[in-house]
Amino acid sequence: QKEVEQDPGPLSVPEGAIVSLNCTYSNSAFQYFMWYRQYSRKGPELLMYTYSSGNKEDGRFTAQVDKSSKYISLFIRDSQPSDSATYLCAMSGSWGKLQFGAGTQVVVTP
Amino acid sequence: EAQVTQNPRYLITVTGKKLTVTCSQNMNHEYMSWYRQDPGLGLRQIYYSMNVEVTDKGDVPEGYKVSRKEKRNFPLILESPSPNQTSLYFCASSFSGGLEETQYFGPGTRLLVL
Repeated sequence: QKEVEQDPGPLSVPEGAIVSLNCTYSNSAFQYFMWYRQYSRKGPELLMYTYSSGNKEDGRFTAQVDKSSKYISLFIRDSQPSDSATYLCAMSGSWGKLQFGAGTQVVVTP
Repeated sequence: EAQVTQNPRYLITVTGKKLTVTCSQNMNHEYMSWYRQDPGLGLRQIYYSMNVEVTDKGDVPEGYKVSRKEKRNFPLILESPSPNQTSLYFCASSFSGGLEETQYFGPGTRLLVL
């Protein structure tokens, strides 16, 4: 069983809708949680970072971490066609080592 | 311009023929890392380096070697490539490896081993 599980999608939503993404994990040592966005034929870029449990908001993006359920989420409000990409969750319990989910492909249709 | 460069971008080789993928960053970053990306498996960390001459294994180090003799360069070496190493490879760097830091990713190297 993978340590980080993420539904690969694709997830198709109309422009303006809320995109809801999530990952589950099994390693209770994870304390650092991140979301990366990857456009086609590009390297990933860091979107959101959260330490331990709680919520974090940045513009249209909200990240949530529920350590008791080993579940993290990313919400994108007022989605735009430019949000069409693959979103990868990543997490770590130690400096330098990262575990990524498989990535969810999101398609926002005009 | 701050960037991570990788060479080559595309490579087709045959089983057993040693190859090196170079990675270089111009941001004076201490931390560098190599990942491979495969469909359905996402990014998996191969090796990482916290500084010159300091390297450690990631999750999938088998069949790979790395070296960090200079701060800016972190080459990935496949001594005897096999078809299961066909993948998309990314190099990344960040200031010190802190997980809140942005990792800058290179453009990727697509490798096909026949």
